[in-house]
Amino acid sequence: EADIYQTPRYLVIGTGKKITLECSQTMGHDKMYWYQQDPGMELHLIHYSYGVNSTEKGDLSSESTVSRIRTEHFPLTLESARPSHTSQYLCASSVGGAYREQFFGPGTRLTVL
Amino acid sequence: GQQLNQSPQSMFIQEGEDVSMNCTSSSIFNTWLWYKQDPGEGPVLLIALYKAGELTSNGRLTAQFGITRKDSFLNISASIPSDVGIYFCAGRSSNTGKLIFGQGTTLQVKP
Repeated sequence: EADIYQTPRYLVIGTGKKITLECSQTMGHDKMYWYQQDPGMELHLIHYSYGVNSTEKGDLSSESTVSRIRTEHFPLTLESARPSHTSQYLCASSVGGAYREQFFGPGTRLTVL
Repeated sequence: GQQLNQSPQSMFIQEGEDVSMNCTSSSIFNTWLWYKQDPGEGPVLLIALYKAGELTSNGRLTAQFGITRKDSFLNISASIPSDVGIYFCAGRSSNTGKLIFGQGTTLQVKP
């Protein structure tokens, strides 16, 4: 089982603010992912990374950006938060072939007022 | 885009009953994963399936990878209150290699 951490767990912020959601994993997994999930709904992939200095956009268009400077760290940034960004953001990681077993962090619940 | 149809959308059952849920798709998948998500938490992996026809158990949970590679089911036997949550299937597309998630099955168990 992977140890994967997300901070903050909850964030309430005003429109126009810049925010960074942190995600770290301690298992040395090379692949990491960000998903967006509305309450009770399916997960949608917004970003993924196959390794350091590798980032790709997912299937759901997102105004957020990501970086992968270190294997264990995969932060997500919103330059100017809007109410439409209100959602749960889930980080995941996996090892081996892409999209094999993915292990999820606890999520960040973002509310933009 | 590719979609997974997960059913039922919700279930309300009595403690001790068995539960069955499934996911189907028009596309072929080469991996099926089943997750459980508690409110406010991330999904937790329950079972992973990698071969058509594979049947795998994890305690009271049993899941199967359909022979056609287009479906999978999850069974929970003798349900207990802590089984409450949302269960998601996820399939790894043989076309794109990406995981696609079902819409989830919300399970409620009455003591």
